Amino acid sequence: SQQGEEDPQALSIQEGENATMNCSYKTSINNLQWYRQNSGRGLVHLILIRSNEREKHSGRLRVTLDTSKKSSSLLITASRAADTASYFCATDDYGNNRLAFGKGNQVVVIP
Amino acid sequence: DGGITQSPKYLFRKEGQNVTLSCEQNLNHDAMYWYRQDPGQGLRLIYYSQIVNDFQKGDIAEGYSVSREKKESFPLTVTSAQKNPTAFYLCASSWGGTYNEQFFGPGTRLTVL
Repeated sequence: SQQGEEDPQALSIQEGENATMNCSYKTSINNLQWYRQNSGRGLVHLILIRSNEREKHSGRLRVTLDTSKKSSSLLITASRAADTASYFCATDDYGNNRLAFGKGNQVVVIP
Repeated sequence: DGGITQSPKYLFRKEGQNVTLSCEQNLNHDAMYWYRQDPGQGLRLIYYSQIVNDFQKGDIAEGYSVSREKKESFPLTVTSAQKNPTAFYLCASSWGGTYNEQFFGPGTRLTVL
């Protein structure tokens, strides 16, 4: 099955700065999702972007999808200390009703 | 208060023992999933179930077993055949298919002594 891979894997920024992380995948997808995980907790869904969409916004989050390059990016604008977490992308495993998760990006926002 | 719960939060097991992790949801979701998370390896799918009384193996099913006798419950048994069971286990549920978000429980951290 395909698997999203985030890049970079660890990011440390100052509060107020923007954080960008990328995800690449190997095969065709119907949609791509981003999740956040605070340390020792379960994942929380952030946003879903469909394969026919190029960009989507949700609050301070901006997700782009480039199906020709098989990649997606997640931008967090004006970061806050509360944004400190790991961020995972997940792609649908076509035809199998399941998601494939990447290894995650750890983001640390320094107050 | 709707949601998905897992218990216990922490679990210790001696080598050679089977242990069952609980996962319950009251979201009326059809699909439920079990993932294993190890440091630096993201989430790996163990088993998933789209409907009651039916489930499929994920990528790392060996040494694990599940049942889905009720829509709201999807317990995972870690058997003694699982050679390296120490990990963080996450249960999730969704309306099914891959266009719907998955809702995750808080996780169970299993440690084998």
